[in-house]
Amino acid sequence: QKEVEQDPGPLSVPEGAIVSLNCTYSNSAFQYFMWYRQYSRKGPELLMYTYSSGNKEDGRFTAQVDKSSKYISLFIRDSQPSDSATYLCAMTSLGAGNKLTFGGGTRVLVKP
Amino acid sequence: DAGITQSPRHKVTETGTPVTLRCHQTENHRYMYWYRQDPGHGLRLIHYSYGVKDTDKGEVSDGYSVSRSKTEDFLLTLESATSSQTSVYFCATEQAGSNYGYTFGSGTRLTVV
Repeated sequence: QKEVEQDPGPLSVPEGAIVSLNCTYSNSAFQYFMWYRQYSRKGPELLMYTYSSGNKEDGRFTAQVDKSSKYISLFIRDSQPSDSATYLCAMTSLGAGNKLTFGGGTRVLVKP
Repeated sequence: DAGITQSPRHKVTETGTPVTLRCHQTENHRYMYWYRQDPGHGLRLIHYSYGVKDTDKGEVSDGYSVSRSKTEDFLLTLESATSSQTSVYFCATEQAGSNYGYTFGSGTRLTVV
């Protein structure tokens, strides 16, 4: 079993809908959680970063962490066709040597 | 991808040949990483470096070696390329202003025939 699980999708939504993405993990030591966005044939880019549990909002994006359930989420409000990409979660712990463990990514398609 | 350059962007090579991929950064970051990305496996760490001449293995290091003789350059070598090493390779550095976040390069698409 992988340390970080992420549904590969694809997830298809109409423009303007809320996109809901999530990852589950097994390592309770993970404390730092990230979401990356990757457009086709490009490198991933850091989208959101959270530490420990709680919510973080940045414009149309909200990241949530529930450490008790080992579950993290990313919500995209008012989705746009430009949000069509693969979204990867990543996480790490103190003492992990700055090494991130990634989920497999969820492909999202926002239809006009 | 400002500050990270990967070369080459694309390469086709034959089984059994050595291949070297280059990652160059201009931001003087201490940490650098090599990942490979494959369908169904996501991003997997090959090797990483925490300083000049300081490197360590990741989860899929077999068949790969790395070198870092200067802060700005991190080289990944496939000692004898195999078809299973056909993949997209990404270099990353730590991202300024973000604890544990990475900045990725644009990737190298390697095909071993």
